[in-house]
Amino acid sequence: GAVVSQHPSWVICKSGTSVKIECRSLDFQATTMFWYRQFPKQSLMLMATSNEGSKATYEQGVEKDKFLINHASLTLSTLTVTSAHPEDSSFYICSAQRGLAGRNIQYFGAGTRLSVL
Amino acid sequence: QKEVEQDPGPLSVPEGAIVSLNCTYSNSAFQYFMWYRQYSRKGPELLMYTYSSGNKEDGRFTAQVDKSSKYISLFIRDSQPSDSATYLCAMSEESGYSTLTFGKGTMLLVSP
Repeated sequence: GAVVSQHPSWVICKSGTSVKIECRSLDFQATTMFWYRQFPKQSLMLMATSNEGSKATYEQGVEKDKFLINHASLTLSTLTVTSAHPEDSSFYICSAQRGLAGRNIQYFGAGTRLSVL
Repeated sequence: QKEVEQDPGPLSVPEGAIVSLNCTYSNSAFQYFMWYRQYSRKGPELLMYTYSSGNKEDGRFTAQVDKSSKYISLFIRDSQPSDSATYLCAMSEESGYSTLTFGKGTMLLVSP
């Protein structure tokens, strides 16, 4: 199956600092990647769609200046949480879309737990 | 009314039981239906992918879609303790460039 690597798996940072999360598709090229946020016992909420070589498309209510997304290559997308605050603490998950037998399927990374002190 | 409704559980069953997990939805434009399994503090793993109405079987897992009722199900036969996880249904309108709409997930606990 397709492998998506997400790093780091857990990060603790001080309020006001910035944190970068990487999402890599290891065995396929992904033109499109997605970034989600998940609160405990809640569903995945789409934050933004990342397309290689172009600007990300953010969902309503997501601050694009707060959550910077860069998709510089077909195998790497990054999410930077700028000037993080405790309310940004959450589980962030990326996915990479792969075309397979006429279908486009999202494969997920293992997630990054962000704790802002 | 939320777009996708899923009972959060937890659903507790003994090992070997048949498990039924369900989602209802309101958007009649959804055509592609998926079930993901998510272990604690991990990313979701794709289990089943179906298009339109009908059944699909893969080992111990069977996915059913009834578009007329806007209702999808995942059945797990001979459940195992290793099946204990949260099961998320997800749907999209298109197969191509498309976003997924997820249910909240149902937590399943299979006891030995």
